[in-house]
Amino acid sequence: QVQLVESGGGLVKPGGSLRLSCAASGFTFSGYYMSWIRQAPGKGLEWVSYISSRGNTMYYADSVKGRFTISRDNAKNSLYLQMNSLRAEDTAIYYCARDRGDVPGEYFDYWGQGTLVTVSS
Amino acid sequence: QSALTQPPSASGSLGQSVTISCTGTSSDIGGYNYVSWYQQHPGKAPKLMIYEVSKRPSGVPDRFSGSKSGNTASLTVSGLQAEDEADYYCSSYAGSNNLGIFGGGTKLTVL
Repeated sequence: QVQLVESGGGLVKPGGSLRLSCAASGFTFSGYYMSWIRQAPGKGLEWVSYISSRGNTMYYADSVKGRFTISRDNAKNSLYLQMNSLRAEDTAIYYCARDRGDVPGEYFDYWGQGTLVTVSS
Repeated sequence: QSALTQPPSASGSLGQSVTISCTGTSSDIGGYNYVSWYQQHPGKAPKLMIYEVSKRPSGVPDRFSGSKSGNTASLTVSGLQAEDEADYYCSSYAGSNNLGIFGGGTKLTVL
């Protein structure tokens, strides 16, 4: 069965960095687009970043552009999110999700359980 | 891109029906048939309930249905059950070079 397992979250000071990972299993990872979506405590969902199946096309929300970098290693069935210059407003649960359909973000059919990132001094 | 607009709350009695709306613009909901809906129980990850406006993934009960008219999409839950009590989020594609956008979420209470 499809599984997505995030890791790498934690407490970091403003201005710091963190790298999130998402281990995929149960499907042919290299054949699917993937995305990171976050949810601030008690708030709604926000799409953060998208990467194509081969890793040659990426999109970012304006709120993270220039600070976050999405990448993937298809040989390791893994998705990553490098987060630099972190701000308090980046505090959220970060989900990796399998991105389906004809266009980026058309819909997300499987989600991981999420990893919590807390940015605080 | 601004978030899609959903009512913060909705409610219905067991066995009855409830409809949750999601309003966008001609640049997102109105421009494409790429609306999806997600159910989220407290402390859990979102779950896909509807995609491409009205399609249901395998395993989602047919009590859940989706529709769209102009710039507004709707999710209808018929025959409400206790386990339907959750937060519901709509999402829409918003054009090339734009990431998709989500609604603010609707908390559905089953009375």
